[in-house]
Amino acid sequence: AAGVIQSPRHLIKEKRETATLKCYPIPRHDTVYWYQQGPGQDPQFLISFYEKMQSDKGSIPDRFSAQQFSDYHSELNMSSLELGDSALYFCASSLIAGTYNEQFFGPGTRLTVL
Amino acid sequence: KQEVTQIPAALSVPEGENLVLNCSFTDSAIYNLQWFRQDPGKGLTSLLLIQSSQREQTSGRLNASLDKSSGRSTLYIAASQPGDSATYLCVVPNQAGTALIFGKGTTLSVSS
Repeated sequence: AAGVIQSPRHLIKEKRETATLKCYPIPRHDTVYWYQQGPGQDPQFLISFYEKMQSDKGSIPDRFSAQQFSDYHSELNMSSLELGDSALYFCASSLIAGTYNEQFFGPGTRLTVL
Repeated sequence: KQEVTQIPAALSVPEGENLVLNCSFTDSAIYNLQWFRQDPGKGLTSLLLIQSSQREQTSGRLNASLDKSSGRSTLYIAASQPGDSATYLCVVPNQAGTALIFGKGTTLSVSS
């Protein structure tokens, strides 16, 4: 079965640079979620989209923005990168009308900021 | 605000032991509860999902129970193996069902 795809899998950036992470949900899933997991931390919810509209917002810095496109893929844009942004970024998808909104996670993108 | 607590934070056992990981949550109005496994620096592997109407789920050597009224869940691992060594995360949706809230995990080490 198709899973959530994230690209790139690894990304190395310098401080103050910009990064774009991409997420391709499971086909027919209409909701995408972004989570950030810092070293030794549990994943923290950043933001979610349902049918291309933001549905909820967590602890996402103002330097970050995200959107969901007409094909339901999502991009997380991160500007003015800081050392503390180094983390594993997970995308998940679900079908709102599906079974209790179970979220399916992608493999993650590891961002390293030097 | 929903909070998820996992006890113990770390656990070391010899191979073959049966063990129980505990999870508690503050708001009992949950849609479901999920247990994930995470190997160091790796992704999240879903182990079991228990719907709010269910009391337990089983997959192989794993059994997860859910007691919504008391805000507790347990993950039982039978006959532990070194390959079970990982961090186990207990996860519930927020009240709106728009995001997941993770516990801080139990890091399990099974020695051979």
